[in-house]
Amino acid sequence: GENVEQHPSTLSVQEGDSAVIKCTYSDSASNYFPWYKQELGKRPQLIIDIRSNVGEKKDQRIAVTLNKTAKHFSLHITETQPEDSAVYFCAASIYNQGGKLIFGQGTELSVKP
Amino acid sequence: GAVVSQHPSRVICKSGTSVKIECRSLDFQATTMFWYRQFPKQSLMLMATSNEGSKATYEQGVEKDKFLINHASLTLSTLTVTSAHPEDSSFYICSAPGTGATLGYGYTFGSGTRLTVV
Repeated sequence: GENVEQHPSTLSVQEGDSAVIKCTYSDSASNYFPWYKQELGKRPQLIIDIRSNVGEKKDQRIAVTLNKTAKHFSLHITETQPEDSAVYFCAASIYNQGGKLIFGQGTELSVKP
Repeated sequence: GAVVSQHPSRVICKSGTSVKIECRSLDFQATTMFWYRQFPKQSLMLMATSNEGSKATYEQGVEKDKFLINHASLTLSTLTVTSAHPEDSSFYICSAPGTGATLGYGYTFGSGTRLTVV
């Protein structure tokens, strides 16, 4: 089955700097890659997602890149703000075949003012 | 947008008792529901997949007799933790593939259930 590896587990940046979180997946059939932000005790909140037919997607300060050949995808946050501090998860699924969503291990991002 | 209502949000039960968690899709039909467990400072681990009208599919290492899943209708899936023990204390959350941010892709999550077994 699918296995998603996420790095780093913790990331500390200064306010205004960029943050990059990387994930690799094992199943080449995976075609949907969402990123979630989760606050303690809350449901994951989708921040951006990308499908396998696209290499890059951007939404304001957040961007995701996908390299299907290498089976890895990354989250880029620019101009970080203290409110970006949270735990971020990447995930992967074969959406049109039952869609089990498999999560990475998570990254705790801390943005210092 | 799509909403999955999950109840209860918090439950405390005594060791050896059973607890039922419900997830209802409010404005769409969820033929599939995924159930996850999340321990503190860890990721969401998929426990099982429920499909309306058929038996649930459990992930490797998940005891099907302990975590009973029922998906009796297109809008309701339930997870029952039987004979709960303190090690079952965790955050349980359901998710349905449904209308999401990207043209119908995406997953809708319930709000989660914090289970504490004492």
